[in-house]
Amino acid sequence: DIVMTQSPLSLPVTPGEPASISCRSSQSLLHTSGCHYLNWYLQKPGQSPQLLIYLASNRAPGVPDRFSGSGSGTDFTLKISRVEAEDVGVYYCMQAQQTPWTFGQGTKVEIK
Amino acid sequence: QVQLQESGPGLVKPSETLSLTCTVSGDSITTSYWSWIRKSPGKGLEWLGHVSYSGGTSYNPSFKGRVTMALDTSKNQFSLKLTSVTAADTAIYHCARHVRFYCGSVGYYPLDYWGQGTLVTVSS
Repeated sequence: DIVMTQSPLSLPVTPGEPASISCRSSQSLLHTSGCHYLNWYLQKPGQSPQLLIYLASNRAPGVPDRFSGSGSGTDFTLKISRVEAEDVGVYYCMQAQQTPWTFGQGTKVEIK
Repeated sequence: QVQLQESGPGLVKPSETLSLTCTVSGDSITTSYWSWIRKSPGKGLEWLGHVSYSGGTSYNPSFKGRVTMALDTSKNQFSLKLTSVTAADTAIYHCARHVRFYCGSVGYYPLDYWGQGTLVTVSS
């Protein structure tokens, strides 16, 4: 199975400031299609996970443009340009390059 | 608005079968792929497998033949059965829909809408 490793696991943030989460995979997530099969999800308190980013760098419909995804191969990053209070929760990366699909451990983002 | 709702027993005895149903509203189960995912303290988020709009399935090999998923098109529901459960199967179980995007001409199906999840405890 592909192992997904996120860092940090806890991220205190200040509203208005940027934030960044790293995700590393144990194998390349580059598919023969030419895209990287990596998604980012946010699970807000009391809610189910929501899709933020797909194919490493594409925002899902309705996701604010302060969220961006980047990376290639085995190293990926989710960035929030200016954190808002509503962005708190647990962020997960997930690979869909190979079954079984696997998730990172999660990064808990909270306001300082 | 697409909504998914899990239902089933919250308590299952060891060695018995866990059975859950996901009721979908706002979309037809004959148009996409549908997954089950669970979250446990010990293993975080685990993808159990998916069932396609045509009834085809793909399962996580970690479950070693214990898992079965199926569609019920008459009720717009899909189901999960997990046999021979142990305490390690105690978790919050989510159902989820796959949405289709493209990379060039190749379809890509990440999970988008998830149910709120249902806690299943395995205990005698």
